[in-house]
Amino acid sequence: DSGVTQTPKHLITATGQRVTLRCSPRSGDLSVYWYQQSLDQGLQFLIQYYNGEERAKGNILERFSAQQFPDLHSELNLSSLELGDSALYFCASSPWTGDTDTQYFGPGTRLTVL
Amino acid sequence: SQQGEEDPQALSIQEGENATMNCSYKTSINNLQWYRQNSGRGLVHLILIRSNEREKHSGRLRVTLDTSKKSSSLLITASRAADTASYFCATATLSNDYKLSFGAGTTVTVRA
Repeated sequence: DSGVTQTPKHLITATGQRVTLRCSPRSGDLSVYWYQQSLDQGLQFLIQYYNGEERAKGNILERFSAQQFPDLHSELNLSSLELGDSALYFCASSPWTGDTDTQYFGPGTRLTVL
Repeated sequence: SQQGEEDPQALSIQEGENATMNCSYKTSINNLQWYRQNSGRGLVHLILIRSNEREKHSGRLRVTLDTSKKSSSLLITASRAADTASYFCATATLSNDYKLSFGAGTTVTVRA
């Protein structure tokens, strides 16, 4: 158990809908990362937040947005869902120690878009 | 885009044998990390090696790094059925603000 929690575990929805994925980082970790894992694209970095502020952006679509709240939990919002958005979405957290930073991954949310 | 590429894509070995997988990357790095993922579950951090290190050990794991060849290897000795998983290398660079770039992974199957 990494100490990172994600809800829900599974999500099934229809195209065009909007969903929110939630992540609670490990106690004390200020940095939160979101990743998407799909069969064709592999594990892709989406976005990073540090202490409430966006720090880095990866291959995140404009239909996706995220935020980190004052209690450090984070939410990833996916809108106008398409079939291709079906994937595993992982959240990770880290204490942010620079070049020895280790990320701790949550169990993931499996999103299925029908 | 993915920075690292693992080789082989898949590996099947007998329990007790050693498993070796390689990772090649394209740009200069600050560190390289190996993660394990059991089927459909979260990734588990295994080991981190910094760019100024050449070899690191952790239990049955041995990681090497050759920055001149931009490659790393992960050796799992005396494999067990529980080692069956996908293994990913991930690189972090200062220019990327230490974002991790993951390879496609090596799927290891350990036969009892």
